[in-house]
Amino acid sequence: EIVIMTQSPATLSVSPGERATLSCRASQSLSTNLAWYQQKPGQAPRLLIYFASFRATGVPPRFSGSGSGTDFTLTIDSLQSEDFAVYYCQQYNGWPPYTFGQGTKLEIK
Amino acid sequence: EVQLVQSGAEVKKPGESLQISCKSSGYSFANYWIGWVRQLPGKGLEWMGIISLADSDTRYSPSFQGQVTISADRSNGTAYLQWGSLKASDTAMYYCARPYAVGTPGDAFYFWGQGTMVTVSS
Repeated sequence: EIVIMTQSPATLSVSPGERATLSCRASQSLSTNLAWYQQKPGQAPRLLIYFASFRATGVPPRFSGSGSGTDFTLTIDSLQSEDFAVYYCQQYNGWPPYTFGQGTKLEIK
Repeated sequence: EVQLVQSGAEVKKPGESLQISCKSSGYSFANYWIGWVRQLPGKGLEWMGIISLADSDTRYSPSFQGQVTISADRSNGTAYLQWGSLKASDTAMYYCARPYAVGTPGDAFYFWGQGTMVTVSS
């Protein structure tokens, strides 16, 4: 059964220095088998968070992930100019296929 | 340093065949999996499939099963994505990516190739 990943909102407008909260919901329980990626225009995606809450190497501590089961959150504190990008969640629970959410575009307010 | 280096951009006509590649370096690739991700112009990421470099065990997303073929050459750590008959709707950026963990496909994609742009147009 294909797991459907739903991200919200589709677009989020936040001012620099403020906090952004992005959501990701799965159609079935994932435990904590969830990743978050950041993608900037013209670049490959970059892994930010794995197993729902662990930061990848080199990711600033202002990025944090939380959640388990079907509901997950990516929080970015004190937004910097370089954080405005598109963010994707991805589930990798059990055996493939694995699926991405449709993305949240984080834009400057 | 782990690197995934993809083959260059391609421009093809509908109905033509194509194979793009993703060459690994910087790690002992025999026991890892490599996946493929599609990104249509201006759209999101789509998980296509993944292959084990150990034994070529391959898993596809139902959306791509029968539409593409994923293969690998364990001897040189290279994964391939192949089309038998391209369509205009195959125009996209294609990324290869590798999970962090050894021996399982079930992990986040930690390492990414730079992407291969495939353009299909008459």
